[in-house]
Amino acid sequence: SQQGEEDPQALSIQEGENATMNCSYKTSINNLQWYRQNSGRGLVHLILIRSNEREKHSGRLRVTLDTSKKSSSLLITASRAADTASYFCATDQIFGNEKLTFGTGTRLTIIP
Amino acid sequence: DGGITQSPKYLFRKEGQNVTLSCEQNLNHDAMYWYRQDPGQGLRLIYYSQIVNDFQKGDIAEGYSVSREKKESFPLTVTSAQKNPTAFYLCASSKPSGTGVGNQPQHFGDGTRLSIL
Repeated sequence: SQQGEEDPQALSIQEGENATMNCSYKTSINNLQWYRQNSGRGLVHLILIRSNEREKHSGRLRVTLDTSKKSSSLLITASRAADTASYFCATDQIFGNEKLTFGTGTRLTIIP
Repeated sequence: DGGITQSPKYLFRKEGQNVTLSCEQNLNHDAMYWYRQDPGQGLRLIYYSQIVNDFQKGDIAEGYSVSREKKESFPLTVTSAQKNPTAFYLCASSKPSGTGVGNQPQHFGDGTRLSIL
């Protein structure tokens, strides 16, 4: 079953604007990861945040985690056309039998 | 360059036929995974292997089989028992983690798109 649900399902913004995507999950986790997938390609790891962390940065990416609300957000600042892709969250559930569970993804389109 | 190679990029299956998807990695990773992705959907885990000669069923293992005879290779066979095999198949690998697979990023190949003739 799907653990994570991304919101929105699709997002279109102008180049240069910030993009925010959200991920909600159902059961307690050890860690949460965000991945990017360009059309027809494999996933690329972006960032991992542990359950005892609240915020993490990597370049233009900012990820937050609120374990009390079972949610995470991914912020991409100063978006570029190359950021056009699908973004997935993946959770490592406590007692999850050593596997990641992926959400359904947010399709991000950056309009030049 | 280190990475994961999946082949072929496109594959067509006839009724009643078994087909095998190849996945090779030169990252020296112990753990390898197979996922299925349907249009507009997330990834669903088919099988995973944490070490050579051992593998575990994922959420949707029925109609699939795997082997892990070498650290570098984790082939997936889609058998004729899988009645709806049309999908995008992704292979991934990661370093082992003493406290759970989620502690490590997964590295993905560029997938194999399987269709039915």
